[in-house]
Amino acid sequence: GESVGLHLPTLSVQEGDNSIINCAYSNSASDYFIWYKQESGKGPQFIIDIRSNMDKRQGQRVTVLLNKTVKHLSLQIAATQPGDSAVYFCADQGGSQGNLIFGKGTKLSVKP
Amino acid sequence: KAGVTQTPRYLIKTRGQQVTLSCSPISGHRSVSWYQQTPGQGLQFLFEYFSETQRNKGNFPGRFSGRQFSNSRSEMNVSTLELGDSALYLCASSLVKGYEQYFGPGTRLTVT
Repeated sequence: GESVGLHLPTLSVQEGDNSIINCAYSNSASDYFIWYKQESGKGPQFIIDIRSNMDKRQGQRVTVLLNKTVKHLSLQIAATQPGDSAVYFCADQGGSQGNLIFGKGTKLSVKP
Repeated sequence: KAGVTQTPRYLIKTRGQQVTLSCSPISGHRSVSWYQQTPGQGLQFLFEYFSETQRNKGNFPGRFSGRQFSNSRSEMNVSTLELGDSALYLCASSLVKGYEQYFGPGTRLTVT
């Protein structure tokens, strides 16, 4: 069935290190992927997106990599800061009605 | 440009009652989607509206309904509330389907 999952539920990194958050999706027909950041008490905040015709996309301190062969998506955060502490969700627009399917989320903790 | 706004932010209702939540999308955005977020199920798609028409609907009972007005503002209604309806209800808007969705802060509904 349709599902988007994350490999690790929690990730703890040292401030200044790079973080990598992984995501797997199951629908090979998915053509649009988004990463969101959700801080406590707030709604998800758009970070970066990527379409299936790309393998990599870079933003400010963030990079998303898409491997369609193994249906894997990753979010890399460079020089992780305490403000990056949050839950990160990947989402896949591969729902049966074209809706977004969200993963369960990875909680990123940044140690000062 | 103002972000997505949702009202009310917090709501406490009793089983059997009904509730109406409101969402104002970002100016110019015509697509509005609703999601339910719970610790156990994560983010689940409820429905999507575009130009006052429901385009997609998730796997929720008929007690959950919504509508969109000509100014793109949207409301969702839950009738005959159950304890399990306690959740954070999130609204997201986008220019059109297939583009990044921007979320509001959510309405925290507690059913007692």
